[in-house]
Amino acid sequence: DVVMTQTPVSLSVSLGGQVSISCRSSQSLVHNNGNTYLSWYLQKPGQSPQLLIYKVSNRFSGISDRFSGSGSGTDFTLKISRVEPDDLGVYYCGQGTQYPLTFGSGTKLEIK
Amino acid sequence: EVQLQESGPGLVKPSQSLSLTCSVTGYSITSNYWGWIRKFPGNKMEWMGYISYSGSTSYNPSLKSRISITRDTSKNQFFLQLNSVTTEDTATYYCARSILWDYWGQGTLVTVSS
Repeated sequence: DVVMTQTPVSLSVSLGGQVSISCRSSQSLVHNNGNTYLSWYLQKPGQSPQLLIYKVSNRFSGISDRFSGSGSGTDFTLKISRVEPDDLGVYYCGQGTQYPLTFGSGTKLEIK
Repeated sequence: EVQLQESGPGLVKPSQSLSLTCSVTGYSITSNYWGWIRKFPGNKMEWMGYISYSGSTSYNPSLKSRISITRDTSKNQFFLQLNSVTTEDTATYYCARSILWDYWGQGTLVTVSS
């Protein structure tokens, strides 16, 4: 299975600040078709996970441009700029290139 | 708008079967892929499997001998059955639209306990 290593485990940021979350995979996530199926999700307290970013850098419908994804191969980053109170929760990366699909262990974002 | 809703028992005894239903509105399950993901106490998330628009299935090998995902297209529902459960199957179970996992149900907590 592809192991997804997410860091940090938690972070605290001031409102208006910027944070980065790293996600590394144990194998390249480049699919045979040339696409890289790396997604980012946010689970807010008491809610189900929501898709933020798919295929590394594509924002899902309705997602603010304060969220941006980047990376390639095995190394990926989610950046959140101008952090708002509603951004708190647990962020996950997930890969869909190789079955079984796997997820990172989560990064908890707290607001200072 | 695509909406998913899980339903089923919140408590299952060890060695018994866990059965959940996912009711989908706003989109036909004869299109796309539909699956189950569970989140364990703590933050670990595990992909369990999916059923495709054609009815074909794919399962996590870690569950392959215990899991079955089926559907009823007339009701626009799909189902999860997990056999021979143990306390380690205690988790919140989510149904979602695969492959992007872009729409999720609200989740249902299933506790395995005698």
